Amino acid sequence: DQQVKQNSPSLSVQEGRISILNCDYTNSMFDYFLWYKKYPAEGPTFLISISSIKDKNEDGRFTVFLNKSAKHLSLHIVPSQPGDSAVYFCAASAGAGSYQLTFGKGTKLSVIP
Amino acid sequence: ETGVTQTPRHLVMGMTNKKSLKCEQHLGHNAMYWYKQSAKKPLELMFVYNFKEQTENNSVPSRFSPECPNSSHLFLHLHTLQPEDSALYLCASSHLSGGVAGELFFGEGSRLTVL
Repeated sequence: DQQVKQNSPSLSVQEGRISILNCDYTNSMFDYFLWYKKYPAEGPTFLISISSIKDKNEDGRFTVFLNKSAKHLSLHIVPSQPGDSAVYFCAASAGAGSYQLTFGKGTKLSVIP
Repeated sequence: ETGVTQTPRHLVMGMTNKKSLKCEQHLGHNAMYWYKQSAKKPLELMFVYNFKEQTENNSVPSRFSPECPNSSHLFLHLHTLQPEDSALYLCASSHLSGGVAGELFFGEGSRLTVL
């Protein structure tokens, strides 16, 4: 049973518009969440994280929102750029200190020029 | 030097072969990980090493044998694999102190095909 779900395998967005990538989790012990970005032929790279004590974390064009009651988080990218085209993985852990990350299957984002 | 390097990038092997994947990190981290990424599946944690000590083995079959001679190097020894073991194997490292882990830094992966 998947504990971290990314239900959209792919997403296409026009350049300049907002990209919203969604992630749901089932394990109520998860309290630290991360987004990783992966280009083809490269390893995933860390993008942004959020602790459960917050409901929003912003870093430049990237904002992660956390809704604990709904066990849902989302990554907003605005404005979207063609270079953002990649696979985005949501990951969660039980504690910022835990090295056990549970990953979603990923969402492939395509930003159309 | 990139942070985490993996060799080889691509490997094709028969079911009776013995091969090894190598990972090296140049980030001064003390924890290293092997992850497996199969098609249409999430990244799966296989092994974790903290200061060369294996701290996690997620029920991985014995045909996968990790080795961590020091905190900068990690190997995954492969023998008598099955075709379903074909996947992308990702190495990662992080700083781990008192049970607090930093973000993971991944290598580019080794694409394994078992014939």
